Amino acid sequence: DGGITQSPKYLFRKEGQNVTLSCEQNLNHDAMYWYRQDPGQGLRLIYYSQIVNDFQKGDIAEGYSVSREKKESFPLTVTSAQKNPTAFYLCASGQESLRNYGYTFGSGTRLTVV
Amino acid sequence: AQTVTQSQPEMSVQEAETVTLSCTYDTSENNYYLFWYKQPPSRQMILVIRQEAYKQQNATENRFSVNFQKAAKSFSLKISDSQLGDTAMYFCAFMKHWTIDYKLSFGAGTTVTVRA
Repeated sequence: DGGITQSPKYLFRKEGQNVTLSCEQNLNHDAMYWYRQDPGQGLRLIYYSQIVNDFQKGDIAEGYSVSREKKESFPLTVTSAQKNPTAFYLCASGQESLRNYGYTFGSGTRLTVV
Repeated sequence: AQTVTQSQPEMSVQEAETVTLSCTYDTSENNYYLFWYKQPPSRQMILVIRQEAYKQQNATENRFSVNFQKAAKSFSLKISDSQLGDTAMYFCAFMKHWTIDYKLSFGAGTTVTVRA
């Protein structure tokens, strides 16, 4: 079945550590996105990529980094510079020709700072 | 980023009753797409219904329907014959039509609780 796989489902980070969230899709979508979800704030865009080896900052990119070396993969690194990383992170993918159908989402990663 | 406003943080409805969620948005675009996503307790985002701005007819998907008022920039969701499985957070989202980056902008969400 085609879809998006995010791993791990739960992740714990110590202060000062970098952690990487995985996102893989087998939908052959060109574009991939990372969103952060906090209570009462909806989904906010962190980074997005529309093509391999290219990505753009979203609205809240500070403290995060990404790479897009393969079409199927778009990992997100939460760096120590992110002061409040505890949140739920959602990865999504989309295709320009299918933009009227929105995105397909992964099941999310819950990151907690301990 | 486009502004999408959902003014109702929480709503409660009796099973089999109808509930309407409000959404307004701010844009200078003429062509765009609007969506309602459902996020149940599993936190998986599920597309409920979508609307293309150039279509005047309101979209309907089974028990879900929208009231799209383009001039008022309003896009409300009506859930008819509410079921316990409708309990979830609902997000309204906006996407420009003529844009190279086809980003989705989301509202803050409305938590819907269906009571037995």
